[in-house]
Amino acid sequence: DAGITQSPRHKVTETGTPVTLRCHQTENHRYMYWYRQDPGHGLRLIHYSYGVKDTDKGEVSDGYSVSRSKTEDFLLTLESATSSQTSVYFCAISEGGDEQFFGPGTRLTVL
Amino acid sequence: QKEVEQNSGPLSVPEGAIASLNCTYSDRGSQSFFWYRQYSGKSPELIMFIYSNGDKEDGRFTAQLNKASQYVSLLIRDSQPSDSATYLCAVNVNTNAGKSTFGDGTTLTVKP
Repeated sequence: DAGITQSPRHKVTETGTPVTLRCHQTENHRYMYWYRQDPGHGLRLIHYSYGVKDTDKGEVSDGYSVSRSKTEDFLLTLESATSSQTSVYFCAISEGGDEQFFGPGTRLTVL
Repeated sequence: QKEVEQNSGPLSVPEGAIASLNCTYSDRGSQSFFWYRQYSGKSPELIMFIYSNGDKEDGRFTAQLNKASQYVSLLIRDSQPSDSATYLCAVNVNTNAGKSTFGDGTTLTVKP
């Protein structure tokens, strides 16, 4: 596997609480992504980053924010978690913005 | 209309057969195309990419691209039970812009 880790791998939280997911890479790739995957919806892009402090929104960014202060770390924050944000979250990296390599995923349950 | 559409599936083929997975896309400016395989409970992994019209072969896998018709396909020859997975098609409008749009995936089952 490419050097990508996600933490935590599983999390159960309550509606209204803030949640931060971390993606860490050791490949020094420029691009990093956060996706969510739900049954029947495939992978949907939440936010992505094309460099330190450079981020942009994806197709399902409402309710999520991101930060990238170092090349190796990309954080996804749910400011106030809702049940609709229960999902599996994948981080991915890409050197040139084309083929992507995925982390192991984080299963988030919001009660 | 979704930007990237795949066969609704599920698709079931016998062991040793050819599995054909199809994907269509709506943006004529799309430049690069990818197939990812995802086993149940696992993360997606890249298996093929193609940038030019025509066929690209890698072992038992062949990716086919037809930009005029806006479709890309993946053929798996001599299908094995270990090929049973969900296959995701992804399309980049600009190769270096960093964003891929994924289809919803087609689940393939190869029966022994």
